Amino acid sequence: AQSVTQLGSHVSVSEGALVLLRCNYSSSVPPYLFWYVQYPNQGLQLLLKYTTGATLVKGINGFEAEFKKSETSFHLTKPSAHMSDAAEYFCAVSGGTSYGKLTFGQGTILTVHP
Amino acid sequence: GAGVSQSPSNKVTEKGKDVELRCDPISGHTALYWYRQSLGQGLEFLIYFQGNSAPDKSGLPSDRFSAERTGGSVSTLTIQRTQQEDSAVYLCASGVTDTQYFGPGTRLTVL
Repeated sequence: AQSVTQLGSHVSVSEGALVLLRCNYSSSVPPYLFWYVQYPNQGLQLLLKYTTGATLVKGINGFEAEFKKSETSFHLTKPSAHMSDAAEYFCAVSGGTSYGKLTFGQGTILTVHP
Repeated sequence: GAGVSQSPSNKVTEKGKDVELRCDPISGHTALYWYRQSLGQGLEFLIYFQGNSAPDKSGLPSDRFSAERTGGSVSTLTIQRTQQEDSAVYLCASGVTDTQYFGPGTRLTVL
C-alpha cells in the first residue's frame, strides 16, 4: 500500500523567490513518484517523475525534485517563482511498476505575489 | 497531437438518475484510468483497464459505479441511481508504461 503526505495545503511566495513544496511518501515497494500541476478548471499536467536511476529529476517550467529514500521524501523546487506558477500541485506515488494506479496527496495551492 | 478528451464537460442531474461519462484516450495507449476529485476526499482512484486484462475495480466506491472499455479504446463510466455525494469532477487518464496523461474532467453535479 502507498500513501502521500503533502506538508502545507497553501504556500505563498513572492515572484522571484524560491518555491519549495514538500512531499513525503510511504510505500511497501520501491516507489515511482510524480508531481502534477492543476490550473483552475483543467486536468492534471505532469511536471516530472522519478522511476529509477538519477535521484534528481528535472521537469517542465524549471521545476525539479529530488528522491531521498532515507527521508522518504520527494520535494518539488523551483529557484525563482513566476506569476504563471500559481496553481495547485499534487504529489503522487505508484507501486513501482509500469501501469500502476496513482495515490495522490491532498494538494498544495501555490500563490505567487508580485 | 490530440490528448485525452472527456465528455460532457459538465453534467447536472437529479438524485436517483443514471449518468454516463465518456473518455477518449490517446491513440495507442493501452492503459486507461478513472479517478474522482472532490473537495472532501481529494483525488481518488476508481478503476483501471490494461489491455485485455481484467480491470482493477478496487477503487469503485459502491456497486452503483461501473465502467467498461470497448475495443481497447473509448471508456464509459456509469453511475446508477446518483446520490448527492457523487458530485465531483471525474478525471480520466490514459497511459503508456509508467506515465499517465489526464483529460480535462467531467464535473458532475447531483441535485
